Amino acid sequence: SQQGEEDPQALSIQEGENATMNCSYKTSINNLQWYRQNSGRGLVHLILIRSNEREKHSGRLRVTLDTSKKSSSLLITASRAADTASYFCATFDTGNQFYFGTGTSLTVIP
Amino acid sequence: KAGVTQTPRYLIKTRGQQVTLSCSPISGHRSVSWYQQTPGQGLQFLFEYFSETQRNKGNFPGRFSGRQFSNSRSEMNVSTLELGDSALYLCASSLIPSEETQYFGPGTRLLVL
Repeated sequence: SQQGEEDPQALSIQEGENATMNCSYKTSINNLQWYRQNSGRGLVHLILIRSNEREKHSGRLRVTLDTSKKSSSLLITASRAADTASYFCATFDTGNQFYFGTGTSLTVIP
Repeated sequence: KAGVTQTPRYLIKTRGQQVTLSCSPISGHRSVSWYQQTPGQGLQFLFEYFSETQRNKGNFPGRFSGRQFSNSRSEMNVSTLELGDSALYLCASSLIPSEETQYFGPGTRLLVL
């Protein structure tokens, strides 16, 4: 079964608004990564946060990690229509297993 | 640098047949992982290869197998295809196994009739 669960499953916002999606996982991890997938194509790596980090920024992306709650969030600020995609969290656990979450489908309306 | 390439991009097979998918990692990457993506099960890890050795294997039946060659190119094989094997098969490469960023190919979409 999958390690991660993402919330919400689907999100629709207006261009310019911020989008927040959350990921919860089950076991101890070495790192957590976020990926984007456009309409049934390959995944694109967005950002990696290690288990000893609490927050990380990359451009319009901000990721937080709370290992005590086994959760992470991805914030996309000032969203654009091109951000429309599915977003997945992925965890690399201490058992050397790599798991993807269920994904959040984001639609940004121009 | 060229990205991860997967061939073929699309494939139609019938039940009972077998299929081989190919993945060429980014130059210099020695770790290759395979994933199956379906609407019902999401993204599931199949296996990972590093230096021609399988390091990890997901929870899939023995019909799913793979290998890696000395040039790091990898193939996965599915024998005795079932309807439920219809999926997008994604390959990812990384410099070292699992821990670091994985770079994904465009995927092979397999349809089993």
